[in-house]
Amino acid sequence: DSGVTQTPKHLITATGQRVTLRCSPRSGDLSVYWYQQSLDQGLQFLIQYYNGEERAKGNILERFSAQQFPDLHSELNLSSLELGDSALYFCASSDLGPRLYFGPGTRLTVL
Amino acid sequence: QQQVKQSPQSLIVQKGGISIINCAYENTAFDYFPWYQQFPGKGPALLIAIRPDVSEKKEGRFTISFNKSAKQFSLHIMDSQPGDSATYFCAARRAGGTSYGKLTFGQGTILTVHP
Repeated sequence: DSGVTQTPKHLITATGQRVTLRCSPRSGDLSVYWYQQSLDQGLQFLIQYYNGEERAKGNILERFSAQQFPDLHSELNLSSLELGDSALYFCASSDLGPRLYFGPGTRLTVL
Repeated sequence: QQQVKQSPQSLIVQKGGISIINCAYENTAFDYFPWYQQFPGKGPALLIAIRPDVSEKKEGRFTISFNKSAKQFSLHIMDSQPGDSATYFCAARRAGGTSYGKLTFGQGTILTVHP
């Protein structure tokens, strides 16, 4: 158990809808990262937050947004969903070191 | 642009054998090279990592070999066990800045160890 929690575990929705994925980092970790894992793209970095501020951005679509709240939990919002957005979404956290602790992921299925 | 290339895509090894997974990178600014292990239904977990100032790092049955001039690194699993069956990802992190965790991952290798 990494100490990172993600909810929900599974999410099934329809095209055009909007969903919110939630992540709670390990106790004390200020950085939160979101990654997307799909069969054809592997693990892709989406976005990083550090203590509430956006720190780095990867290949995140404009339809996607994220934020980190004062209690350090983070939410990833996915809107106008398309079939191709079906994937595993992982949250990870870290302290000031390079090691990432990944959560169990949220499996998103867009029908 | 795929900055970290991993091979093979899949690997089948007999129990007790040696599993070898290779990765090549392009960006010479990378300064940290971890390997992650992922079991079905779980998130990736750090297995072992190396920095470019050393050529080899060993932890138990797992060894990373690093060749800076060739921009390649590999994972060796000695005495492979069925419990090692998982997907393995190499990754790299760019030096500098405050984005400590912005890892670039390889495509993954599915390892199957037969008993």
